[in-house]
Amino acid sequence: EIVLTQTPVSLSVSPGQPASISCKSSQSLLHTDGKTYLHWHLQKPGQPPQLLIYEVSKRVSGVPDRFSGSGSGTDFTLQISRVEAEDVGVYYCMQTIQLPRLTFGQGTKVEIK
Amino acid sequence: EVQLLESGGGLVQPGGSLRLSCEASGFDFSSYVMTWVRQAPGKGLEWVSAISGSGSTTYYADSVKGRVTISRDNSKNTVYLQMNSPRAEDTAVYYCANKVGATFNWGQGTLVTVSS
Repeated sequence: EIVLTQTPVSLSVSPGQPASISCKSSQSLLHTDGKTYLHWHLQKPGQPPQLLIYEVSKRVSGVPDRFSGSGSGTDFTLQISRVEAEDVGVYYCMQTIQLPRLTFGQGTKVEIK
Repeated sequence: EVQLLESGGGLVQPGGSLRLSCEASGFDFSSYVMTWVRQAPGKGLEWVSAISGSGSTTYYADSVKGRVTISRDNSKNTVYLQMNSPRAEDTAVYYCANKVGATFNWGQGTLVTVSS
């Protein structure tokens, strides 16, 4: 089973400041098809998760460009260039290289200072 | 637009049984793997089970193997999760989810509470 380790567990950020979340995988998420199957979800309070970024760095339609993803192999990062109040919630990384068995990171709670 | 609508959650006694349903729309249902993910109160996301498009192959997390059964009815665009002899640690919001192309879709979830 692939283990995803997210850090930090929580983050308190002033509006307009940047935020960064790390996700490290126990195995490479680079598939033989050339794609890397690491994705980021945001779960806002009281809501189901929603996909923000897929395949490391591709933003879902409608996701603001202040969100960006980067990384390769086993090390990945989600960055928010300027945090806004609507960005609060818990961020999860997820791997789908072993579909249909999914695994998720433990989550990172982002709060506004 | 992909829509996933769960139902069937509620209060169930330890040792009882419960069947969750997820009705899907907006995509060719029989062509896609369907998945259940759960979230215990205040906790993270945990993959529970998945089923192939035809229904011929099923997958289970070790934490639920032998106690839950996933199935689907492609004529009704519906996937099911039968929970038998649930335990207190099965208390969670259960989400139906799937990957269609590059996107990953979630339902709104249904709450299962296991308590006497």
